Amino acid sequence: GNSVTQMEGPVTLSEEAFLTINCTYTATGYPSLFWYVQYPGEGLQLLLKATKADDKGSNKGFEATYRKETTSFHLEKGSVQVSDSAVYFCALGKAAGNKLTFGGGTRVLVKP
Amino acid sequence: DVKVTQSSRYLVKRTGEKVFLECVQDMDHENMFWYRQDPGLGLRLIYFSYDVKMKEKGDIPEGYSVSREKKERFSLILESASTNQTSMYLCATDRDRTSSGGYTFGSGTRLTVV
Repeated sequence: GNSVTQMEGPVTLSEEAFLTINCTYTATGYPSLFWYVQYPGEGLQLLLKATKADDKGSNKGFEATYRKETTSFHLEKGSVQVSDSAVYFCALGKAAGNKLTFGGGTRVLVKP
Repeated sequence: DVKVTQSSRYLVKRTGEKVFLECVQDMDHENMFWYRQDPGLGLRLIYFSYDVKMKEKGDIPEGYSVSREKKERFSLILESASTNQTSMYLCATDRDRTSSGGYTFGSGTRLTVV
């Protein structure tokens, strides 16, 4: 079946540092890939997505590239802010028929 | 913007009570989902629905049921609440089965069973 593995946190960074959160997946076919963000006390928000190999999703300074050869979708941001402190979830879904499978989440804490 | 509204942010119930968690969406989405979120376990799918009066079990349906009498409302029911059902419950929606756009989530209901 489908599965998503992402690095465990917490990840603690200083402001303006570079952030990488690793995500790898197992799936049949050609799934869509997503990153969601959950700020304290809130539900999840879609951060970015990619629907086919080599696609790059980007939003709010975050980027992730769909790498089919390494079955990965790592999230990166070049210069984090305190406001980026949150839990980040990697997820995959089939291209049609769309139950999403989520990773365990990675907590990120950015210190001033 | 699609809005997904969960009726309560925080809820405290007693063991053995029947508990209803409500989710309402305003964008005519066909698909609705209930997840629970627990530390270290991520999000786990409880039940989902692709249409009115239709429901399917997710990965952890035991101890739960659902109701979808109207397209915009998807209710999660804990038949007899137990302490191991203390969790954050998240409702999500998606347009339809052909969509690959990802979910829209509600703000969550943090349920404590004492």
